[in-house]
Amino acid sequence: GAGVSQSPSNKVTEKGKDVELRCDPISGHTALYWYRQSLGQGLEFLIYFQGNSAPDKSGLPSDRFSAERTGGSVSTLTIQRTQQEDSAVYLCASSLDGTLDEQFFGPGTRLTVL
Amino acid sequence: KNQVEQSPQSLIILEGKNCTLQCNYTVSPFSNLRWYKQDTGRGPVSLTIMTFSENTKSNGRYTATLDADTKQSSLHITASQLSDSASYICVVSANSGNTPLVFGKGTRLSVIA
Repeated sequence: GAGVSQSPSNKVTEKGKDVELRCDPISGHTALYWYRQSLGQGLEFLIYFQGNSAPDKSGLPSDRFSAERTGGSVSTLTIQRTQQEDSAVYLCASSLDGTLDEQFFGPGTRLTVL
Repeated sequence: KNQVEQSPQSLIILEGKNCTLQCNYTVSPFSNLRWYKQDTGRGPVSLTIMTFSENTKSNGRYTATLDADTKQSSLHITASQLSDSASYICVVSANSGNTPLVFGKGTRLSVIA
């Protein structure tokens, strides 16, 4: 069965460039999450989509970060004017309903900003 | 402040030995606690989930315990295998459907032959 998929798996970019990271959740899952995992650090919550509700953006570190979820399925995380400190693994997860349900994680996108 | 603290930060054990990983949390009100295994370069995979009323739960060679009074959990791995080498992450959820999960930084386990 298809799990959560993310693309690209690796992304190297130059400081100041914009990047887009894609997440395809498990079909039928209404909740989608983005996390960031820096080297040696725990997972950091970024943003949470639940159905048609307004997303919880409380974890976004700056206004350079934004995310969309179109049609209640695919999500795109956009980082504008990337900085070196943005280098991390960006993980996407989905769950059947809300945050009380088990989250299934994608393999992540490793972002390196030079 | 909601926090999850894990110990040790890293651990090296011989194949076949047992080990126990610790997780302390201050998340309130508590809903559930999960242990995830994250292989290098992969996303986390759920091992166990425990609610307030559960004291212990097993998944093969993995046994998780929960003491909701002291806000502590442990993950015991029996007869370790080389494939157990991974990061083990403790994740606590507050009793609110819209509250993000709180993740520990994980314990990096290395099982050597």
